[in-house]
Parts: sequence; structure tokens; C-alpha cells
Amino acid sequence: NAGVTQTPKFRILKIGQSMTLQCTQDMNHNYMYWYRQDPGMGLKLIYYSVGAGITDKGEVPNGYNVSRSTTEDFPLRLELAAPSQTSVYFCASSYSLTSSPLHFGNGTRLTVT
Amino acid sequence: AQKVTQAQTEISVVEKEDVTLDCVYETRDTTYYLFWYKQPPSGELVFLIRRNSFDEQNEISGRYSWNFQKSTSSFNFTITASQVVDSAVYFCALVFSGGYNKLIFGAGTRLAVHP
Repeated sequence: NAGVTQTPKFRILKIGQSMTLQCTQDMNHNYMYWYRQDPGMGLKLIYYSVGAGITDKGEVPNGYNVSRSTTEDFPLRLELAAPSQTSVYFCASSYSLTSSPLHFGNGTRLTVT
Repeated sequence: AQKVTQAQTEISVVEKEDVTLDCVYETRDTTYYLFWYKQPPSGELVFLIRRNSFDEQNEISGRYSWNFQKSTSSFNFTITASQVVDSAVYFCALVFSGGYNKLIFGAGTRLAVHP
């Protein structure tokens, strides 16, 4: 059982480049999330989705886009990378936060220089 | 406003000491859920416990225990007889009824357990 899988694990981008962080889960969870964790800080919610075709903004959505075409996949898109987006990105999924915990992927460490 | 405060940024203890990590939350909702997660140096996030607002019973799991007090809006986490493997960042988090879809994290407490 793979759980939540994120790729890549590490990435270095130049300012202005674009990339997509991939996230897939095999638990048939409706709820999926993207968080970022800046060095020495807690997690901030970027975007979340309550099901295929439905997404919504979290606390820090600027500079990012998401899509949810299937239950399994929830990619995060950075269009014009900026140094402020240097962070560790975590994807997570849940059956329901009121009845079960959030399952996290292992994270993607992104550096923008 | 919904908020989670972990006032202790870093704690350093010697192995076998007991240590308590504080968590204070803010919400106007009567129904909410509290969580603790552990982030070891390897970076992954590990779920420890989930508690709903209607269940104030304390919980013990091995060397870990949790004290939930609605009167003080606190959900503190105690590690008894700490071990080096307990060294990690610990996060407290909140789900409230007005935002069932979102988990709000505190800033975390970094615990260093020295031999």
C-alpha cells in the first residue's frame, strides 16, 4: 500500500521557470491538500480539494495552481518560480478530517535560485 | 479566528527526563478536532493522535500522554522518560466545524533529547 506519493523528492529551479509537483494517493480519499513548510516554520495550506473537479484556496495560494481531474491525483503547478517559493512541499490526503487523520507524502524540497 | 499556538519554540532535555509540549488553540466552534503530528529529522510527518472536542478524557499510549482541557483551550502532550529517538519537531493542529476541510497547524516545537 503506497499511501501518498510525491515526485520529485528534490528540485532546483531558476527564477521564472515553471514546474509541476506530482501527488497521487491510492487510498481512494476524497480530500487532498498541498502544504508548504518554510525552514523552521509550521505548515501553511496552499490549496485543497474535496473531490475530483473541486478545488479551493488555502492560506497561501498566490503563485500556485492546482487541478483535480481524478480522485487519485492532485498536481501543484508553479508558473513563475520565485525565491520566496523555496520550501518543502507536502501533499496529504484524508477520508475525512472529522473521522481520520491526514496522511502525508514524504515531501518535495524545492529551491528557487 | 481559528488559531493554534505552540509557545515553546525549542526544548532541550536529557534522556529519561519527562517533557511536556504545550498547545493552546482558539476557536468559537463547539465541535472541533485536535491533532498531534511528529516530524523526525528525516522530514516525514507522522500522525500521533486525534481528539474531538466532546471527548476530554486524557489518553496514554506507552510513554506518550495527552491532556485535553477545554476550560483552558489546551491540548498538551507529555513524553515520559524521553529517549533520543523522541527528538523531532512536534506539531499541534486544529480542525473546526466552520472549516472541516482544513487542518490548521501550530508553528511546532522542536524537541532535542540528549544522551
